[in-house]
Amino acid sequence: DIQMTQSPPSLSASVGDRVTITCRASQDIANYLNWYQQKPGKVPELLIYDASNLRSGVPSRFSGSGSGTDFTFTIISLQPEDVGTYYCQQYDNLPPSITFGQGTRLEIK
Amino acid sequence: QVQLVQSGAEVRKPGASVRVSCKVSGYSLTDFLIHWVRQAPGKGLEWMGSFDPEDGEAISTQTFQGRVTMTEDTATNTAYMELNSLRSEDTAVYFCATTMVVKSNYYLDVWAKGTPVTVSS
Repeated sequence: DIQMTQSPPSLSASVGDRVTITCRASQDIANYLNWYQQKPGKVPELLIYDASNLRSGVPSRFSGSGSGTDFTFTIISLQPEDVGTYYCQQYDNLPPSITFGQGTRLEIK
Repeated sequence: QVQLVQSGAEVRKPGASVRVSCKVSGYSLTDFLIHWVRQAPGKGLEWMGSFDPEDGEAISTQTFQGRVTMTEDTATNTAYMELNSLRSEDTAVYFCATTMVVKSNYYLDVWAKGTPVTVSS
């Protein structure tokens, strides 16, 4: 099974800060990596797919990069509404599997 | 846009079973791979498995193999997830989710609101 290691588990930053979250896969997953935001009490929302593609309608301050085993999610200028938990998610079809990272809880200082 | 609507909250005793439904509206259930994801209180997202209503093929993780059954009722456009031999650690919100983009594992951009399941004696 592919394991996803996400860090840090939690993060506190100021409005306007650049925020970076990393996700490492236990084996090469090419660019089969997505990022989600989950606000408290809400369902997860897809932000980035295939490592670096911004979902339509998602603010451009969010971005993703990486391939193989190491991936990065960045918010270039943190806004108050970005508070929540962020998850990476790998996917594969041979054999079928989906794995989420442990999540990163983001709060405003 | 497809919409997913789940059944309401459930409370069960340890050892019992629970069945959660996920109704697809706007499209045919068989057009989608239905994924089941759970989230224990204060914890992260855990993918349980996926189900193809067209051929009945179900994939589940080792954690749930032998305890989870995924089925469908095409007449009502509804998918079901049944978890048996419940224990307190199964207390969680259970989500069904899918994508319209492709009928395989990819991203999940359509989510139902979730069904809270509480296991308590």
